[in-house]
Amino acid sequence: AQRVTQPEKLLSVFKGAPVELKCNYSYSGSPELFWYVQYSRQRLQLLLRHISRESIKGFTADLNKGETSFHLKKPFAQEEDSAMYYCALIRGSTLGRLYFGRGTQLTVWP
Amino acid sequence: EPEVTQTPSHQVTQMGQEVILRCVPISNHLYFYWYRQILGQKVEFLVSFYNNEISEKSEIFDDQFSVERPDGSNFTLKIRSTKLEDSAMYFCASSLGGTTPYNEQFFGPGTRLTVL
Repeated sequence: AQRVTQPEKLLSVFKGAPVELKCNYSYSGSPELFWYVQYSRQRLQLLLRHISRESIKGFTADLNKGETSFHLKKPFAQEEDSAMYYCALIRGSTLGRLYFGRGTQLTVWP
Repeated sequence: EPEVTQTPSHQVTQMGQEVILRCVPISNHLYFYWYRQILGQKVEFLVSFYNNEISEKSEIFDDQFSVERPDGSNFTLKIRSTKLEDSAMYFCASSLGGTTPYNEQFFGPGTRLTVL
């Protein structure tokens, strides 16, 4: 069965510090991994996906199949990065059902 | 920029009552989804819908739930007889396609359902 684990419910860093939000998954096939973000009073929105291998708002995430991880990183956190971050997975064979982790609330202090 | 809209933003109902949650997906999207998030828990998939029929449903989506696309714009989730445990935030989402790169799901703001 597929599962997405985000071990940290809360994460706090100071502005300018590096930040890493952890995500591990379990799935026997080839998943597609995503990071969704929800800023305060806003809707869930896609931040990035592993297939595009791009950097969005300074964030990057690399899929490590050996460690079954898809950690989200940013070298210098900004206050506006404070939000709820969800790691999510789509199984290769489905039309698009997202399996979410429980989310990590990131707070960036000034 | 087009967005998914949901109404109402908050619905309060008595246990046993029927509720209908409404969503207007992005107009050229073809795939529609409902998810829910019970307070403090993870976002959970309920159902996906394509070409006027259910593509997939989770174990949560039992006979008490149904979905419909009554016209060309609305996508509804009906709960026939609400239970206390149905209290949650319900999210509608839509995507242009079902496969990469068109499978990005765009979420609505959610409807908070409170069952008393």
